Amino acid sequence: AQSVSQHNHHVILSEAASLELGCNYSYGGTVNLFWYVQYPGQHLQLLLKYFSGDPLVKGIKGFEAEFIKSKFSFNLRKPSVQWSDTAEYFCAVSPARSGNTPLVFGKGTRLSVIA
Amino acid sequence: NAGVTQTPKFQVLKTGQSMTLQCAQDMNHNSMYWYRQDPGMGLRLIYYSASEGTTDKGEVPNGYNVSRLNKREFSLRLESAAPSQTSVYFCASSEDGYTYSNQPQHFGDGTRLSIL
Repeated sequence: AQSVSQHNHHVILSEAASLELGCNYSYGGTVNLFWYVQYPGQHLQLLLKYFSGDPLVKGIKGFEAEFIKSKFSFNLRKPSVQWSDTAEYFCAVSPARSGNTPLVFGKGTRLSVIA
Repeated sequence: NAGVTQTPKFQVLKTGQSMTLQCAQDMNHNSMYWYRQDPGMGLRLIYYSASEGTTDKGEVPNGYNVSRLNKREFSLRLESAAPSQTSVYFCASSEDGYTYSNQPQHFGDGTRLSIL
């Protein structure tokens, strides 16, 4: 069964700092990859997704992620964070095949952005 | 444009009581899901329904039952609530999780459930 590891449980950054959140997955086949964000008190929202093509994916609010197949990684990046980026971030994976393929989520990384 | 609607938003139960959490989506999605979210555990899949008329167990199904009432509605039932089921429950839907696994999931606002 596939699994997802997010190495950082809590990241604290100052405004304008650069962000990189790690995500590694374990699955030998082709995968679909997602990053979701959960702002305080809200539900999860899709930030970006990758399923084929250019491994550098751009999402909403200036976020991007790079799929590196050889490293089984899909790290999330943002060049300059804002206070409003304070949230919890979840990486998720599903095998890219037909059949019941529910997402598997990582445990999440809490980002706190301070002034 | 409601998306995924969950009721209730908050609930407190006593151990042993039963409860049904309701979820409805208005996006004509085929697939629906129930997750629980606990601190440090991320989201764990309880049950899902890839299409109307089918349900499957997820990672943590024990103590729960589900009903896919129709294409729009997917309910989660706790028959005899236990303190370990205190959590935030999220319902989600996707266009077609069975055939197109690249479809993102859309989440409801969650139900915060406390069991004393």
